[in-house]
Amino acid sequence: GNSVTQMEGPVTLSEEAFLTINCTYTATGYPSLFWYVQYPGEGLQLLLKATKADDKGSNKGFEATYRKETTSFHLEKGSVQVSDSAVYFCALLFYNQGGKLIFGQGTELSVKP
Amino acid sequence: DGGITQSPKYLFRKEGQNVTLSCEQNLNHDAMYWYRQDPGQGLRLIYYSQIVNDFQKGDIAEGYSVSREKKESFPLTVTSAQKNPTAFYLCASLERLNQPQHFGDGTRLSIL
Repeated sequence: GNSVTQMEGPVTLSEEAFLTINCTYTATGYPSLFWYVQYPGEGLQLLLKATKADDKGSNKGFEATYRKETTSFHLEKGSVQVSDSAVYFCALLFYNQGGKLIFGQGTELSVKP
Repeated sequence: DGGITQSPKYLFRKEGQNVTLSCEQNLNHDAMYWYRQDPGQGLRLIYYSQIVNDFQKGDIAEGYSVSREKKESFPLTVTSAQKNPTAFYLCASLERLNQPQHFGDGTRLSIL
C-alpha cells in the first residue's frame, strides 16, 4: 500500500544551523508530494509541494525535491530560526483517489537561540 | 477572509455521549475531509466527501458519522461507539484535484 516514512524526532538545532528532515514514500503510481507545518495548538499549513519527478518545491527558505529514483522528498533549510520550531509532516496525495492525503508521523523541530 | 472554521476549539465528552464537531468553509470547495491526530502520529483519515449528499469512509471510520447536506458544512459526530475518542480533530477542504488541501485550526476532544 501507499505510505510515508519520516525521520524520527525531536530534532534539536541551534539557530542558523542547516536542517534536513528525511522523508521517503512507498506508492504505486505517481503521487503529488507535500510538506505541511503545524505550530503548537494549530492546524496544518502547506509549506511546499511538488507534483512530478524532479520538481523542486520552495517556500520561506525551505526546499524539497521530488526524487522518483530514491522515492524521497527530503526537507531542507540552510539556516533555521527559532520561529521555525514546529512539527513538520510529509504527505502524499493521489488526486484520482479522492484527493486523500497520506501522512508521515511528523517530525518535531526545536530551534534554540 | 476565506477559510475553514472549526468549532469549538476544545470539547469535553462524558462517557456514553455523542458529540458533534463543526466544520464550515467559505472557500466554495467541493471536497471536505476529517482527520484524527494522536500524539506522535501522523493524521489519519476518518471520512471524506467530494460532493454534497455523498461521503466515503476513510481508514478509521468506525465510531464516527458525518453528513454533507450543504457544500460549506461537514459536521463530524463522535459516537459512544468510539472507544478512544480523545484526540485532535482536523477538518480540511480541497478546491479541485490539482490543488493542496486547506486545514482548519482543529478541535481538541477530551473525555471527562
